[in-house]
Amino acid sequence: GAGVSQSPSNKVTEKGKDVELRCDPISGHTALYWYRQRLGQGLEFLIYFQGNSAPDKSGLPSDRFSAERTGESVSTLTIQRTQQEDSAVYLCASSTRTGRLVSEQFFGPGTRLTVL
Amino acid sequence: GQQLNQSPQSMFIQEGEDVSMNCTSSSIFNTWLWYKQDPGEGPVLLIALYKAGELTSNGRLTAQFGITRKDSFLNISASIPSDVGIYFCAGTNNNDMRFGAGTRLTVKP
Repeated sequence: GAGVSQSPSNKVTEKGKDVELRCDPISGHTALYWYRQRLGQGLEFLIYFQGNSAPDKSGLPSDRFSAERTGESVSTLTIQRTQQEDSAVYLCASSTRTGRLVSEQFFGPGTRLTVL
Repeated sequence: GQQLNQSPQSMFIQEGEDVSMNCTSSSIFNTWLWYKQDPGEGPVLLIALYKAGELTSNGRLTAQFGITRKDSFLNISASIPSDVGIYFCAGTNNNDMRFGAGTRLTVKP
C-alpha cells in the first residue's frame, strides 16, 4: 500500500507568517510522530499521537508550534509567527505499534521549510 | 537536547571498499537503530539492535550493539554506488530517543 505522504514537499515563507504542514500516515497505523531535521543534524522529536490518547508534546520547542490529529488519520503541524531558525525539514512517521520509542516507524519524505 | 556522537561526518570511498561508522553516547540505551536517508526521502530503518553485544547482519550491512550499551557501529562491505546517502544512528531508552547527526557517504564508481 501507499507509504506516509507529506505536503507540501517544499514551503518558502516570510518571517512572521504562519505555516501548516500536513501528514497522511499509512492506513491503519495508530501512532504518528513529527520530527524536525535541521541541516547537518539528526532528528529532533516534536510530538507523538497514539489513537485517541492525549498527545506527547514534550518535544515542541515553543508555544508557536502545535499539531492536531483527528482519530487515526491526517495530522497537521502548525508553526505560528515563523522565525528563521524554524527553517528545517519536518518529517512525519507512522507506526502500527504503540509507544513513543518504537523502532518500526515508517517515515514520509518530509517538508522542507525555508523562512526568509 | 544533546544528540548522539556519530562519526565520521562524511566519507568519500571507492566502489568496492568497506565502510565503518559509529555512534557513541554518555548515556546507556536499550535499543540501537541504524537508518539510511536518500535525498528527498525520509529515513528507512536498516538494522535494529535490542541486546548488548548483539551483532546483526542485513545483506552487506553489519551492526553491533556495544557491550557498555553506550555505542554501536555499522559496517558496509563491498560498497556499491547505491549505498550513497546519509546514515543515522538512533538510541532509545526508557525516557528518550536520540539521533546522531548522520554520516554522509559518497561512493565513487
